[in-house]
Amino acid sequence: AQTVTQSQPEMSVQEAETVTLSCTYDTSENNYYLFWYKQPPSRQMILVIRQEAYKQQNATENRFSVNFQKAAKSFSLKISDSQLGDTAMYFCAFMRANNNNDMRFGAGTRLTVKP
Amino acid sequence: NAGVTQTPKFQVLKTGQSMTLQCAQDMNHEYMSWYRQDPGMGLRLIHYSVGAGITDQGEVPNGYNVSRSTTEDFPLRLLSAAPSQTSVYFCASSRRRDRRPETQYFGPGTRLLVL
Repeated sequence: AQTVTQSQPEMSVQEAETVTLSCTYDTSENNYYLFWYKQPPSRQMILVIRQEAYKQQNATENRFSVNFQKAAKSFSLKISDSQLGDTAMYFCAFMRANNNNDMRFGAGTRLTVKP
Repeated sequence: NAGVTQTPKFQVLKTGQSMTLQCAQDMNHEYMSWYRQDPGMGLRLIHYSVGAGITDQGEVPNGYNVSRSTTEDFPLRLLSAAPSQTSVYFCASSRRRDRRPETQYFGPGTRLLVL
């Protein structure tokens, strides 16, 4: 079974600073996808970024980027120039490439951006 | 497009009662899923469907039934509610092309309290 671990239950960062959220996963698969989702107080789940395991290049989306280390099974999220609107729960998620829709989530990291 | 809609937003049940959580999407997505979110545990997959007439179990299927008679609707049934099913329930849908999962769109969630 695939497991996803987020070892930081809570983190905080000053506005405009950079913060990195950690995620590790356990799988015997070679092809899979990794995701970071954001959940603000509204509870709406929002996709932040997606990484395909067969791609060596790290994914980036504006201020969000990942550090994907396949051998170490690590998938961290870096948020640059943090904004107050980034305050939310962040979930790391894993999906096998040969499975249709079985997505596994980590327990989440609560990020607070301080003014 | 309304996206993914869920009803009701909030429900209180007594132990042993049954109910159906409704989920609908108007994006013609093949894939739909149900998750539950408990404090400190992230989202866990209950059941998922890869098309009308096809469903499968996720990580925590016990106590829940699903069916997919149309592409648009994916109801979740609790046959005999238990306090352990107190949670926030999310429905999600997505499309898959060329073996690549596309973004999962989440509904706003249903808060369920079982007394």
